[in-house]
Amino acid sequence: DAGVIQSPRHEVTEMGQEVTLRCKPISGHDYLFWYRQTMMRGLELLIYFNNNVPIDDSGMPEDRFSAKMPNASFSTLKIQPSEPRDSAVYFCASRVGAGGETQYFGPGTRLLVL
Amino acid sequence: DQQVKQNSPSLSVQEGRISILNCDYTNSMFDYFLWYKKYPAEGPTFLISISSIKDKNEDGRFTVFLNKSAKHLSLHIVPSQPGDSAVYFCAAPSASNTGKLIFGQGTTLQVKP
Repeated sequence: DAGVIQSPRHEVTEMGQEVTLRCKPISGHDYLFWYRQTMMRGLELLIYFNNNVPIDDSGMPEDRFSAKMPNASFSTLKIQPSEPRDSAVYFCASRVGAGGETQYFGPGTRLLVL
Repeated sequence: DQQVKQNSPSLSVQEGRISILNCDYTNSMFDYFLWYKKYPAEGPTFLISISSIKDKNEDGRFTVFLNKSAKHLSLHIVPSQPGDSAVYFCAAPSASNTGKLIFGQGTTLQVKP
């Protein structure tokens, strides 16, 4: 299996621009998670989906952030408009079922907003 | 409210010695704990876990100790190797058992040759 795939790996944009991050989970996994990693706060859960349905978006910082999962093999995290404080590494992770706790992470997207 | 805390941002040890990474938690309902390891430019990968009904779990050079009364767990790496240099995160499933993990801030371990 190819593992969780994220694109792009790096993104540099200017403040005010729209940013779209993409994720392809491992085939057969029914849970998908979006995290943000910063030095100050470590790994923060932004939102997660179960069977393509958003379950908990309480970690989404504000309305500028939105996430979708149109099908079982694709999810996007969008920031519009982006701000410098959004600069971070964004990870997508997936897992199967709610019993076992191991999540499988993608390589991350490093976002820099100038 | 940080339910899982790693108070040491970094740790440096000599190759061959023991590395001890610490993690504290506040929620006594957590019934499972995990450690993840993260190399630069990669996503975190699962390393080892422990159930709350145990006080120790060992896997090769890695051992997790759990002290429920102190709400504290630690990861021991013996002997430490330069390839162990990475960021280590402890995590716990949210009490509602929804599949959601709560992570600590991470500890950067540097093992010097």
